[in-house]
Amino acid sequence: GAVVSQHPSWVICKSGTSVKIECRSLDFQATTMFWYRQFPKQSLMLMATSNEGSKATYEQGVEKDKFLINHASLTLSTLTVTSAHPEDSSFYICSALQTGGYNEQFFGPGTRLTVL
Amino acid sequence: DAKTTQPPSMDCAEGRAANLPCNHSTISGNEYVYWYRQIHSQGPQYIIHGLKNNETNEMASLIITEDRKSSTLILPHATLRDTAVYYCIALRRMGGGADGLTFGKGTHLIIQP
Repeated sequence: GAVVSQHPSWVICKSGTSVKIECRSLDFQATTMFWYRQFPKQSLMLMATSNEGSKATYEQGVEKDKFLINHASLTLSTLTVTSAHPEDSSFYICSALQTGGYNEQFFGPGTRLTVL
Repeated sequence: DAKTTQPPSMDCAEGRAANLPCNHSTISGNEYVYWYRQIHSQGPQYIIHGLKNNETNEMASLIITEDRKSSTLILPHATLRDTAVYYCIALRRMGGGADGLTFGKGTHLIIQP
């Protein structure tokens, strides 16, 4: 149980295009999901907290207009990187907190984004 | 959340117990100690968590000192697949709404054949 999937697992796009990444909790409901970003040889950094049915909360320094988050259902959150540039190339990872659970966040496998 | 300190890297022979230390001297009474690991190019994996009692599950054991200022994660019989970066995180435990995790640099555990 407690499986989180991400799609796509990797994506290569041209500079200026937008990319959507999906995060799904497959066998549980998740009121809260989180999006992280990891640059090479660095730790994960929290980007935003996504709550079902409400606006996402972004960490300081993360542009909300560039990283659009939609958490329309209890099993799906999406992250759209708008007008991507090479500096947005990174490993994007989501996690899901089981509704009624206790902070055991379950992570997806990550999405490798490369912007040319 | 309290800051945690871990050694940057450790080696362990395959089949032996791997003991990963973590210092959290400023941990507050309502903060739990969580351990996650990240195998290269994968999402982090939850391992175990505890408050003040020692905990054990199918993956590992967690030993927390009586004063709660430090803890040790024990992988009883390390295998090559346990090579990963291990993160110790102090976190309030809440139902429903929660905080995202703050990852430090962790300990890069290398299991040697």
